This record gives sequence, C-alpha cells and structure tokens, in this order.
Amino acid sequence: QQQVKQSPQSLIVQKGGISIINCAYENTAFDYFPWYQQFPGKGPALLIAIRPDVSEKKEGRFTISFNKSAKQFSLHIMDSQPGDSATYFCAASKSQAGTALIFGKGTTLSVSS
Amino acid sequence: ETGVTQSPTHLIKTRGQQVTLRCSSQSGHNTVSWYQQALGQGPQFIFQYYREEENGRGNFPPRFSGLQFPNYSSELNVNALELDDSALYLCASSSGGWTDTQYFGPGTRLTVL
Repeated sequence: QQQVKQSPQSLIVQKGGISIINCAYENTAFDYFPWYQQFPGKGPALLIAIRPDVSEKKEGRFTISFNKSAKQFSLHIMDSQPGDSATYFCAASKSQAGTALIFGKGTTLSVSS
Repeated sequence: ETGVTQSPTHLIKTRGQQVTLRCSSQSGHNTVSWYQQALGQGPQFIFQYYREEENGRGNFPPRFSGLQFPNYSSELNVNALELDDSALYLCASSSGGWTDTQYFGPGTRLTVL
C-alpha cells in the first residue's frame, strides 16, 4: 500500500519556467511534509518542509502549497535552472518518536537550457 | 559543523554473506534512521535508533539489525545477503527521537552478486 503518491514520474521544463510536482497522501495522521532533492550518487537533501497549519510556505524559488482537505501538497520551482535538474521526493510523517518518513517514488526533473 | 558521513561508499558482496555499514550522525544529533533505496525508488524505512535503543522499525526481516553507540554513531548489519538487498543504504540523523528534519548522508551502494 503506497501511502504517498507522487506525480509526474518525470518532467522536462525550459530554463526560466515553473516546475510543479504533486503529491497525495492517505494517512490523515501525517503532520509533517518535507521535500527532498537528490542528485545522482548523493543522498537526499532537505529542500523545504511544511506542516498542516499553513497552506503555503516559500523559501527562495521553492514554494510548497498544501491542501489539507484534499490531502495533497505540491512543490513549485520558480525560474527553473539547469542546476535544479535532479530527482525530487516528497515525503510525509507523523510527529511521533520512532516513526518513519514515507517517501513518494520520486520525480526526475530536467531543466533544458 | 560536520554533516552525516557513511562508510564505505561502495561494497560488493556475494549472496549469503554478511555486511556491516557505518554511519556517523551530524553533530548534536542523537537519533539515527536507516533507509534502503532501490534503483528508481524512494527510500524505505528500515529502523531508527535513539539513545542506543531501537525506536521504530519498518517492514524488514530480522536479518537486518543495527546498533547505536554512545557517541550516536550507528551500524547497519545485514545477514544472509540476498540479490534483492542490492541498493543504496542511507543513514539520516535528527534530534530527540523524532522524524522531523532528518539529514541524510551520501549513502553506501551495496551490490550483491
């Protein structure tokens, strides 16, 4: 049972465009939603995270939009750059000791110059 | 501040052998989680250690075991290796036994022949 569904699987965006990646979750007990960026041969790096008490969080060119009623959240990358080309993972967890981050299957983003 | 480090970087083993992977947590972090990332997939939670005790476990068989030491570094041991154990093994550190704000190491690539 996949608890976090991520789409699309791959995405090609032109330099300067907006990249949008979507995730949906099933467990209403989840209350922490991070996004990770992973380059080939590297571990995932925390990009930005949100909790359900806000509907949007922005850090630089990266914005998370959160819809609690629809159990969906998305990552928007504004002014996408070739250096943003990587695999992006959404995740979800409960704020409870000993629990795990549940990851989506990832989205491979390619930003063409 | 030192980030999460893992050793070795790469490892090749044959089916039936045993392997030990090591992780040093980020300075100030007392919680270590281990994840398995198969090719093209998101990381999957193996277990978490907090103050030298197993604090939570995912859906992995008992041949996956671990340790955490007083300095909060950790080991992942896998016995009776199977071909499907080939993956990138990631260690993530955080503080207080919580799942929030986990920082990942670069991973150990294990190949089982």
